Amino acid sequence: DGGITQSPKYLFRKEGQNVTLSCEQNLNHDAMYWYRQDPGQGLRLIYYSQIVNDFQKGDIAEGYSVSREKKESFPLTVTSAQKNPTAFYLCASTQTTGTSGVNEQFFGPGTRLTVL
Amino acid sequence: AQRVTQPEKLLSVFKGAPVELKCNYSYSGSPELFWYVQYSRQRLQLLLRHISRESIKGFTADLNKGETSFHLKKPFAQEEDSAMYYCALTKAAGNKLTFGGGTRVLVKP
Repeated sequence: DGGITQSPKYLFRKEGQNVTLSCEQNLNHDAMYWYRQDPGQGLRLIYYSQIVNDFQKGDIAEGYSVSREKKESFPLTVTSAQKNPTAFYLCASTQTTGTSGVNEQFFGPGTRLTVL
Repeated sequence: AQRVTQPEKLLSVFKGAPVELKCNYSYSGSPELFWYVQYSRQRLQLLLRHISRESIKGFTADLNKGETSFHLKKPFAQEEDSAMYYCALTKAAGNKLTFGGGTRVLVKP
């Protein structure tokens, strides 16, 4: 097991505070993704990055921010503007260059964020 | 916009019985469809994809473009199949996945 690590496993935050979730991968994958998992709603894409120093908004980007300064790292910041941040957050990565077609996404173990 | 619907939130079957998880999608182009699975205390992982036309752990899924469906089937469920299953879609040659809401499968002894 390994490849993609997320930390911390559990995170508690007070209302009004920003918090940053870590995602690191050693798979040399080009693309990285952040999803939010809520019961009954599946996974929803927050942000994604296809290459270093570039990222795009997903379906529910409001209240979140990301950076991609290094290929192996894609941290997610949950800002105080996010109205309902309590959720399970999953990071994923996939290889894109040098391949054809759609490749499998590999997922991290997740971070459970609770806003108190 | 692309959308994936899994109408069943929970499927409960007995060991040895057939199980079918429904997945319907809406997409105007040529999609690629996947099933991902999350076993208890494990990471979400790929189960199978329609382009491979393979059977994984006894599961198969057929893409029906006419009915826009990609149902997952297994003729004889096992207890170790108990998990959360997600159907996902992406456009051909794309990498952004759209997931369905998920179906929890419980296989009883």
